[in-house]
Amino acid sequence: DIQMTQSPSSLSASVGDRVTITCRASQSISNFLNWYQQKPGKAPKLLIYAASSLQSGVPSSFSGSGSGTDFTLTISSLQPEHFATYYCQQTYSIPLTFGGGTKVEI
Amino acid sequence: EVQVVESGGGLAQPGRSLRLSCAASGFTFDDYAMHWVRQTPGKALEWVSGISWNSASIGYADSVKGRFTISRDNAKNSLYLQMNSLRAEDTAFYYCAKDIFLITGTGSFFDSWGQGTLVTVSS
Repeated sequence: DIQMTQSPSSLSASVGDRVTITCRASQSISNFLNWYQQKPGKAPKLLIYAASSLQSGVPSSFSGSGSGTDFTLTISSLQPEHFATYYCQQTYSIPLTFGGGTKVEI
Repeated sequence: EVQVVESGGGLAQPGRSLRLSCAASGFTFDDYAMHWVRQTPGKALEWVSGISWNSASIGYADSVKGRFTISRDNAKNSLYLQMNSLRAEDTAFYYCAKDIFLITGTGSFFDSWGQGTLVTVSS
């Protein structure tokens, strides 16, 4: 199984900050990497698919990059509604696996 | 509007069974693969199982293989998860999620999720 490791597991930031979250795969997954945002008590929401493609309706303040084993999610200017937990997911092979999550808080 | 709504969660004793359902609406159900994903409160997401549009391709996480069975009824726009031999570690919110493709595989991603149903396994 492919292991997905996110870092950091949590971070504190302020409104307006630039935030970067890292996800590392235990083997190469090409660009088959997705990012989801989850707020407390809510279902996950797709932000980025195929490592760098922005899902429809997601603000351009979110961006993704990377290929192979190393990926990043960047929030260019943190807004109050961005405080949430972010998960990466590989869909290179079954079983599909998620990272452990990164909680972004004030 | 695309919508998926889970039901069937509740309290079950270890070793017993539960069947979860997911009712889909707002899209052509048999055009897409579907999945179950679970989350222990306060913990990370775990993919449980996925099924292709025609049920020909099915996959499971190792943690549930042999105990859980995914199925779908395209005539009823419904997805199911039969959970047998439940364990305490199966306690979680279970989410139904829609794939972007017909078949779960390389490049999939989940563009719609339900709100989840809570399964608690305890004596």
